[in-house]
Amino acid sequence: DIVMTQSPSSLAVSAGETVTINCKSSQSLFGSVRQKNYLAWYQQKPGQSPKLLIYLASTRESGVPDRFIGSGSGTDFTLTISSVQAEDLANYYCQQYYDTPWTFGGGTKLELK
Amino acid sequence: QVQLQQSGAELVKPGSSVKMSCKASGYTFTSYYIYWIKQRPGQGLEWIGRIGPGSGDTNYNEKFKGKATFTVDKSSSTAYMQLSSLTPEDTAVYYCARRTTAFAYWGQGTLVTVSS
Repeated sequence: DIVMTQSPSSLAVSAGETVTINCKSSQSLFGSVRQKNYLAWYQQKPGQSPKLLIYLASTRESGVPDRFIGSGSGTDFTLTISSVQAEDLANYYCQQYYDTPWTFGGGTKLELK
Repeated sequence: QVQLQQSGAELVKPGSSVKMSCKASGYTFTSYYIYWIKQRPGQGLEWIGRIGPGSGDTNYNEKFKGKATFTVDKSSSTAYMQLSSLTPEDTAVYYCARRTTAFAYWGQGTLVTVSS
C-alpha cells in the first residue's frame, strides 16, 4: 500500500496568515500515460463529510476559493492556504488515487492561534 | 445535482452484523462506481472498497475482505454495505462517495456504534 505522510499534524494560525501543509507519498503518484499526479486534498469540518478542494495535485474543484493552492509532483506535495480565514479552520487530508487501495494522509488540524 | 443519502445511525452489539444504505440521485446510477470509506472517531480516513452498480464488479481493500460486503439495487439506485462480525474497532462513521476524478461527492455518513 502507498503510505501518505502529512505534516504537521496540527497548525495554529492567525487570520490572514499563509499556511503550508505537506504530504509525502511512499511512491511516486505521477502517471506517465496522462502525465498527471493522482493526488487530492480534502477539507473536513467537524460533523461534516470531507469536501474535495484539489485534484490532480493542483486543480481546484469548482467553487473552491483561489486562496487554496495545490502544488508538487512525484512524491512531495503541498497545500497552501493564503490569507487564512476563520471558515478555513478544519482538518485537511491528502489522498492518493494512483493505486488501490487508495490511501489518505493522517490529517492536519488547522486551529486558531 | 448529485446527492448521496445515507441511512441513519446504528447501535449494534459485538458479533452482530449491520447493513447500511446509500441512495444516489441526480445522475445515472449505473455509470459510476460507489466507494465506501471509514472514519473512526477523531481519526483519519480509510478506503474500504468500491462497487460498480452497472456490472456488480467489486474491489475491496485487503484489510476489509471478509468484513465488508457491497451490493446494489439498481431499481432504487441504492448501494449497500454490510459489515459482519462487528467489534468495537468497527465503531466509525462510514461514508459512501462518488468520483469525478477524486471523491467529489460524499454522503453525510452513517455512524455505527458497536457496544454491548
